[in-house]
Amino acid sequence: EPEVTQTPSHQVTQMGQEVILRCVPISNHLYFYWYRQILGQKVEFLVSFYNNEISEKSEIFDDQFSVERPDGSNFTLKIRSTKLEDSAMYFCASTLPETDNSPLHFGNGTRLTVT
Amino acid sequence: AQSVAQPEDQVNVAEGNPLTVKCTYSVSGNPYLFWYVQYPNRGLQFLLKYITGDNLVKGSYGFEAEFNKSQTSFHLKKPSALVSDSALYFCAVRDLMNRDDKIIFGKGTRLHILP
Repeated sequence: EPEVTQTPSHQVTQMGQEVILRCVPISNHLYFYWYRQILGQKVEFLVSFYNNEISEKSEIFDDQFSVERPDGSNFTLKIRSTKLEDSAMYFCASTLPETDNSPLHFGNGTRLTVT
Repeated sequence: AQSVAQPEDQVNVAEGNPLTVKCTYSVSGNPYLFWYVQYPNRGLQFLLKYITGDNLVKGSYGFEAEFNKSQTSFHLKKPSALVSDSALYFCAVRDLMNRDDKIIFGKGTRLHILP
């Protein structure tokens, strides 16, 4: 069964550094998402992406965050200048566009640790 | 804006007993409701969804959920719990009226099945 894959599984970075989290969504999916989860708790919506542009974003997704689909297969989340509070699990998800009721398919996540 | 509440941080059930994980929601229009499960160090896995039709929906691993419009609830149930059901469970909602792209998750309920 097709899967959403995320790399790396764990990223450690120093405060103020830029990080790029990478995702390969399921190949025929057209909607893409980033969520984050802090300390195994609530899963928070960050951003949704469709047709090469952001369709919706949360208040968490400020100017330090950006997303890109550079080559038709990868979907990346960039944090320009990381803060300690950015430490979390970041999950990529994708879904089919045909119906409104398509479930999200999640990757296994990237654990980001900011020191 | 839509919201989801999971009132229990943890639910403990003896193996073989029925289990219920509670969820209530708030949306402007008709809800699309989902349950996801998360095992340690993994992404969220789709369990089941309610869109329209029968209020009792069946999903993976013997789980089912009952949609109750008057109580705005969507409790997850299973007739006989297994130790392997121990995991973190998330209820989620999408607001059809606003045609939001995002799915909003509850804070999660940790299900602990006692052998």
